[in-house]
Amino acid sequence: DAGITQSPRHKVTETGTPVTLRCHQTENHRYMYWYRQDPGHGLRLIHYSYGVKDTDKGEVSDGYSVSRSKTEDFLLTLESATSSQTSVYFCAISESGDEQFFGPGTRLTVL
Amino acid sequence: GEDVEQSLFLSVREGDSSVINCTYTDSSSTYLYWYKQEPGAGLQLLTYIFSNMDMKQDQRLTVLLNKKDKHLSLRIADTQTGDSAIYFCAESIQEVGGSQGNLIFGKGTKLSVKP
Repeated sequence: DAGITQSPRHKVTETGTPVTLRCHQTENHRYMYWYRQDPGHGLRLIHYSYGVKDTDKGEVSDGYSVSRSKTEDFLLTLESATSSQTSVYFCAISESGDEQFFGPGTRLTVL
Repeated sequence: GEDVEQSLFLSVREGDSSVINCTYTDSSSTYLYWYKQEPGAGLQLLTYIFSNMDMKQDQRLTVLLNKKDKHLSLRIADTQTGDSAIYFCAESIQEVGGSQGNLIFGKGTKLSVKP
């Protein structure tokens, strides 16, 4: 998976709790992305980063925040998880901003 | 806004050719991609085509691009049961004022290969 890991791989949490998902890369790629995948919606971009401390919103950013303090790590935080955030979350990396390589995914269930 | 459309399902017999179709809307897309997702796994980049090309062949995979009709297809020759997966088409778009392209994905085509 092009040197990308995601943690945790599975998580079950309760509504209202904070959750942080981690994406770690060993490729030293500049760009990093967080997507969610839901049936009937395909992949939708949540947030992305184009460098350390440089992030921007994607299509479905409400309820999510991100941070990138190091090139290799991109964190996705749900400040107060809701059931609508139950999904599979994928991290991706890219050297150029075009061709993207995906991590194995995190399955999050919010009860 | 930008949109990428794909049919949701395709079923073929082992050994036949599979053709997965995709239409996109952004005529300024520089690259178009095909990704494969097996159950429980992430997306694997299969192939891509630059927008000034009509065709790209890579072993059993052939990508055809009709830029006039904004139509992209992926042909898999001699389809095997191991090809059963969801295939995503994606176009690269340039955000207005942005410094990079982002990908817009279709909803995916589930390919089922019957022995």
